[in-house]
Amino acid sequence: QIQLQGSGPGLVKPSETLSLTCSVSNTSITSYYWTWIRQSPGKGLEWIGYIYHNGNTNYNPSLKSRVSMSVDTSRSQFSLRLTSVSAADTAIYFCVTGKLRYFDSLPSRYFGPWGQGIRVTVSS
Amino acid sequence: QSVLTQPPSVSAAPGQTVTISCSGGSSNIGSNFVSWYQQIPGTAPKLLIHDNNKRPSGIPDRFSGSKSGTSATLAITGLQTADDADYYCGTWDTTLNIGLFGGGTKLTVL
Repeated sequence: QIQLQGSGPGLVKPSETLSLTCSVSNTSITSYYWTWIRQSPGKGLEWIGYIYHNGNTNYNPSLKSRVSMSVDTSRSQFSLRLTSVSAADTAIYFCVTGKLRYFDSLPSRYFGPWGQGIRVTVSS
Repeated sequence: QSVLTQPPSVSAAPGQTVTISCSGGSSNIGSNFVSWYQQIPGTAPKLLIHDNNKRPSGIPDRFSGSKSGTSATLAITGLQTADDADYYCGTWDTTLNIGLFGGGTKLTVL
């Protein structure tokens, strides 16, 4: 089945840029919407955004000014960059398979499988 | 505070049935499909239900989902200690054009 393996530094200094990468296996990277979701300590899930294989993106407006995503189809990888981080960005970052299906012309979007999560702490 | 509202916690004994509610609005649950996720502490969330009431392969039929108007419900029958976890509802918001999740419900199987 689809497997996602996230990687990146576990510690980022305030005001610097967080960069994470996710490697996709057992499926074509052209098939789904590759999504990033984060979970702050003791809190719920926050959708960050997605990127499609052709480079089309959709970001959460709450992060839009600081977030960018990219995809490398030759390596079956996609990446997240979050600039000017602060303690509020401390979280577990999940790379996730985003699925889109249509029923009677209505879209259904859901998420799975998920990568294992990358714990990122923003601290000096 | 999440746009989708879930009870913070529910509890029940093994073998019993529990339901978890998820309340939203017309631009999210009211006009989009709902999914549900199970997160065992220390692990990544796992998809339990998609398209309001469909189970991915490998998910037991003890888990079921439903939707009515701007609310959705996850039901778990024949509770097992392994079901002790956090559960999140998810959907899309058509106005905001973003994915949304509920705040999560901690299920304790007593």
